[in-house]
Amino acid sequence: KNQVEQSPQSLIILEGKNCTLQCNYTVSPFSNLRWYKQDTGRGPVSLTIMTFSENTKSNGRYTATLDADTKQSSLHITASQLSDSASYICVVRGTGGSYIPTFGRGTSLIVHP
Amino acid sequence: DVKVTQSSRYLVKRTGEKVFLECVQDMDHENMFWYRQDPGLGLRLIYFSYDVKMKEKGDIPEGYSVSREKKERFSLILESASTNQTSMYLCASTLAPAQGSGYTFGSGTRLTVV
Repeated sequence: KNQVEQSPQSLIILEGKNCTLQCNYTVSPFSNLRWYKQDTGRGPVSLTIMTFSENTKSNGRYTATLDADTKQSSLHITASQLSDSASYICVVRGTGGSYIPTFGRGTSLIVHP
Repeated sequence: DVKVTQSSRYLVKRTGEKVFLECVQDMDHENMFWYRQDPGLGLRLIYFSYDVKMKEKGDIPEGYSVSREKKERFSLILESASTNQTSMYLCASTLAPAQGSGYTFGSGTRLTVV
């Protein structure tokens, strides 16, 4: 069964600090991996998409990495801001068959001033 | 930008009521989805639709039904609401999932069943 595991479940950091969120998956064969940001009370919004051939992709202060061999991805947030407080969800899609992606349970990030 | 609009942000219903959650998207997407989101469980797929009048069960369809009479509108129906259906409900649409298109989500409907 396809699974996506995220760690940590929750994280508290001080404003201005960096942090890294982890995503491990078993989805195979692999098609792509997305990181979504979900603000409290809102729907998730896509931050970045990683395909098999991509190792690193940045979106402002967010940098996603992908190691397709070990089936791991990370989302690094640099110089955190209060507005980064949100849930970050890793979503992985496989190839062939059903196109329904597999969602991780998310990491809840709180940035304190 | 694609917009997915859910008709209600907050909803309070009584046990046993029939509840309709409406979702409308404005970018001609063929694929639409209903998820529920609960603390610690993440998003779980209830139903999805890849075309008008077509529907497929997701992982947790029990107690729910859906309707897709028009391409832009996908409705989730709770036939007889129960307290364990208290949750955040998220609607999403996507253009071409087979090509890796991402989801556009609505803002969610927080449903409380009392």
